[in-house]
Amino acid sequence: RKEVEQDPGPFNVPEGATVAFNCTYSNSASQSFFWYRQDCRKEPKLLMSVYSSGNEDGRFTAQLNRASQYISLLIRDSKLSDSATYLCVLDSGYSTLTFGKGTMLLVSP
Amino acid sequence: NAGVTQTPKFQVLKTGQSMTLQCAQDMNHNSMYWYRQDPGMGLRLIYYSASEGTTDKGEVPNGYNVSRLNKREFSLRLESAAPSQTSVYFCASSGAGHNQPQHFGDGTRLSIL
Repeated sequence: RKEVEQDPGPFNVPEGATVAFNCTYSNSASQSFFWYRQDCRKEPKLLMSVYSSGNEDGRFTAQLNRASQYISLLIRDSKLSDSATYLCVLDSGYSTLTFGKGTMLLVSP
Repeated sequence: NAGVTQTPKFQVLKTGQSMTLQCAQDMNHNSMYWYRQDPGMGLRLIYYSASEGTTDKGEVPNGYNVSRLNKREFSLRLESAAPSQTSVYFCASSGAGHNQPQHFGDGTRLSIL
C-alpha cells in the first residue's frame, strides 16, 4: 500500500450537494492527521485537523478510522468556493508530514 | 502578520546557473521545510530543519543544499540548476511536536531553461 492514497477525482458536484472523500494510509504509527486544501497555483492551507473521535467545523466533518487506516472528509451544502484540491496529510513518525496527492473537487452552479 | 514569506515569487534560470531561494517565518516556529510540487507528483520534501542548527534530507535532496541561518530563516540553494529542477517550491514551518500542522509560504515558481 502507498503511504497515502487518495482518489484524484475530479469529483463534479452541483452547489448544495454533499460530497465525501476518503484517504487510506499505510503507516499505522501515525498520530496526527490533517486535511489541507489547495487552490490552483496556490499554497496548501490547513483546512482542519482530524481527531480520533471525529470533528466538525461548520460544513466540514472529518473522521478517523484507525483500525482500517483511513480518514474521511465530508462537505455538506457545497459552495462554488469549495472547488479546490483536498490533500490528506499525516505525520510520518519523525518531524515531517506525508502528503497525499490530493482529490480535486469541482462545484458547479 | 506575514506568516511564511518566500522570495522570489518567480525566477527563470539557465542550466548551470545557481541561485538561493529565501524563506522566513515570523511565528517563532522551531521547524522549517522545503518542498517541491510537480504535476501529478504531489508535494515532495527536499530538506527540513527540525530546529535551529539542524538540517536533514527529505525524499528528494539531490541537487540542493540548505542553510538554517537562524530560527526565522531557512534558505534553499541550487548550485548548478538543471531543467529537472523546474518546479514550484514551497517553504513551510511548524511548531514543535508531531501534532503540529505546517504553514506554507505562497511558493516560488522556478523555470530552468
